Amino acid sequence: GAGVSQSPRYKVAKRGQDVALRCDPISGHVSLFWYQQALGQGPEFLTYFQNEAQLDKSGLPSDRFFAERPEGSVSTLKIQRTQQEDSAVYLCASSLFGQASETGELFFGEGSRLTVL
Amino acid sequence: GENVEQHPSTLSVQEGDSAVIKCTYSDSASNYFPWYKQELGKGPQLIIDIRSNVGEKKDQRIAVTLNKTAKHFSLHITETQPEDSAVYFCAAHAGKSTFGDGTTLTVKP
Repeated sequence: GAGVSQSPRYKVAKRGQDVALRCDPISGHVSLFWYQQALGQGPEFLTYFQNEAQLDKSGLPSDRFFAERPEGSVSTLKIQRTQQEDSAVYLCASSLFGQASETGELFFGEGSRLTVL
Repeated sequence: GENVEQHPSTLSVQEGDSAVIKCTYSDSASNYFPWYKQELGKGPQLIIDIRSNVGEKKDQRIAVTLNKTAKHFSLHITETQPEDSAVYFCAAHAGKSTFGDGTTLTVKP
């Protein structure tokens, strides 16, 4: 498809399990963002990639969270030793231009809903 | 870092009425102000945006205004329709977008 694709759409994990969430951005988009959205709140920034370079990871809540985009296209967000407070929707967004551009329109995927029991 | 506040958190209007949502931001480096609409179970979708060198922008029933001096911007929807019912987010962008907490708009037929 032409949009941002995320998988899985739904993930239930037991506390302590590791999870991996995948994002396929729009082809050719330079920038890729991960956001965390808790119920009833706005998306919170986690991390940003320009091509394969992770330029900003200031929003990652702990060292249990890790993201990569090794070839500058598909990205994976990994959460180790999941805890209940990790339960949220994880949104991936891509943008055509790099961070320095004023063109900041984000194209979001439908998100991966993580529930940690 | 940037802080974006959005009001009101919920808004209910009659079909055909206007709806206004207001946001303030803190970082003067922010130069791009998008508005997103999020429907249940979906990701946010851009509906309109405004850049720092523009004070107002209109697209059919939707308009945005920006006051850089006061650091606030607003979304105006006229002639509301039931399909406008959704959660709306404002954002301020300085390299990355910082979002408000959203406004749940309900348009009653």
